[in-house]
Amino acid sequence: QSALTQPRSVSGSPGQSVTISCTGTSSDVGGYNYVSWYQQHPGKVPKLMIYDISKRPSGVPDRFSGSRSGNTASLTISGLQADDEADYYCCSYAVNSRIFGGGTKLTVL
Amino acid sequence: QEHLVESGGGVVQPGRSLRLSCAASGFTFRDYGLHWVRQAPGEGLEWAALIWNDGSNKNYADSVKGRFTISRDNSRNTLYLQMNSLRVEDTAVYYCTRDIWGSDAFDLWGQGTTVTVSP
Repeated sequence: QSALTQPRSVSGSPGQSVTISCTGTSSDVGGYNYVSWYQQHPGKVPKLMIYDISKRPSGVPDRFSGSRSGNTASLTISGLQADDEADYYCCSYAVNSRIFGGGTKLTVL
Repeated sequence: QEHLVESGGGVVQPGRSLRLSCAASGFTFRDYGLHWVRQAPGEGLEWAALIWNDGSNKNYADSVKGRFTISRDNSRNTLYLQMNSLRVEDTAVYYCTRDIWGSDAFDLWGQGTTVTVSP
C-alpha cells in the first residue's frame, strides 16, 4: 500500500494550464478505471473534482480534466484562476484498499 | 441536503481506545459504501477503512489493521470507527466519506473530527 507518487508542487500564472501527475502501478492506477482527484483548500474539507479517470461531478468546471496513460494519471487545469490555488490529491482503487497520492501544492503566481 | 457529521474525537493517551461516529442525513444511507479517511497534521490524506452498504465486507489499511474496526447501523444512519491500542501516529483529522453512486470515489465528506494521541 505505498502512496501514489505526485510532484510536491506545481505553479502557473492566471490563464495558463498546469498538469499534475500521479504515478502508481499496474495494481492500482494502471489496473482499474477508478482514479479520482480531490482539491483541498487550507483548513477545508477535500472536494471531489474528477472520478473514473476523467469524469467530472456536477458543478465542477470543465477547466478541470483527467486522463491516464499506463500507470500514470494526470489532472489538467486550464485557464488557471486564483481560487485554484490549493492542494490536490489523486486516489486509486486497489484490491481491498484505496491509495492516495502524497499531494501536490498548486501555486497560482 | 446530504450531510455527514462526525463526532467522538478528542485527546487520548497511547494505548487507549476511542470510538468515532458519523451521522448521515439527506440520502438513503443503506445504499452506499462508506469509508474513513484521515489526515495527520500538515500531511496528506490517508485511506483507513471501508465498509460495504450492507456491512458484509470491510477492509483496512495496513497501518490500522487489527486495531481499528469499522461498523455501521443502517437503522440509525450511522457509521462507526472503533479505535483500539491508539498510537501517537494515529493523531489526525478523521473524515467520514461516501462512495459515489455506481463507482469508486469519495463524493461526500464530513467536516472531520480531530483525534490527538499524546502521552
